Amino acid sequence: QQPVQSPQAVILREGEDAVINCSSSKALYSVHWYRQKHGEAPVFLMILLKGGEQKGHEKISASFNEKKQQSSLYLTASQLSYSGTYFCGTLVIQGAQKLVFGQGTRLTINP
Amino acid sequence: DAGVIQSPRHEVTEMGQEVTLRCKPISGHDYLFWYRQTMMRGLELLIYFNNNVPIDDSGMPEDRFSAKMPNASFSTLKIQPSEPRDSAVYFCASSHRASLDNEQFFGPGTRLTVL
Repeated sequence: QQPVQSPQAVILREGEDAVINCSSSKALYSVHWYRQKHGEAPVFLMILLKGGEQKGHEKISASFNEKKQQSSLYLTASQLSYSGTYFCGTLVIQGAQKLVFGQGTRLTINP
Repeated sequence: DAGVIQSPRHEVTEMGQEVTLRCKPISGHDYLFWYRQTMMRGLELLIYFNNNVPIDDSGMPEDRFSAKMPNASFSTLKIQPSEPRDSAVYFCASSHRASLDNEQFFGPGTRLTVL
């Protein structure tokens, strides 16, 4: 039930673009994205609540393809501050609901 | 608001000892979550509370782990007895409104080392 993220790690130069994918073998009701910098707590980026939804936050945006059971996070013209590990979380409904996070994608931005 | 507060920030203990981690959620938040993060297993949900009531504890590893939320402003996660494999960063998070589809605010975490 844990969503699968790809790639596991990405190394970019400042200004390059990146795409991080999150997919699930089960139906997706919503997708949550968080970023965690080294030694810090995860910080919320955005939630996508329905299929077809797209959201943006500065140069970070995401899409949610309900039929394909996947979401993608797009980082455009990456900045040094974008470095960190990105987690997607999906709502799992098995009796009680709960949010299950993927393994994370480590993004390194070099000058 | 000070955000989610966790204590201690670091804990080093010996195998077999009891460990208690503490969390104060953001005032007014209905949900409180306990997570464990390790390199091998990633970010795992251990248990969460809604209005002080445990809703899902299926992520609690075994009977050595227990969590309580005696009131809306305080929760504890206890490990007794602790084992080296319990070494991890433990995060507490809280969120508000009546749905899990909301932003979770994470505390700074407690880094636990069991020798």
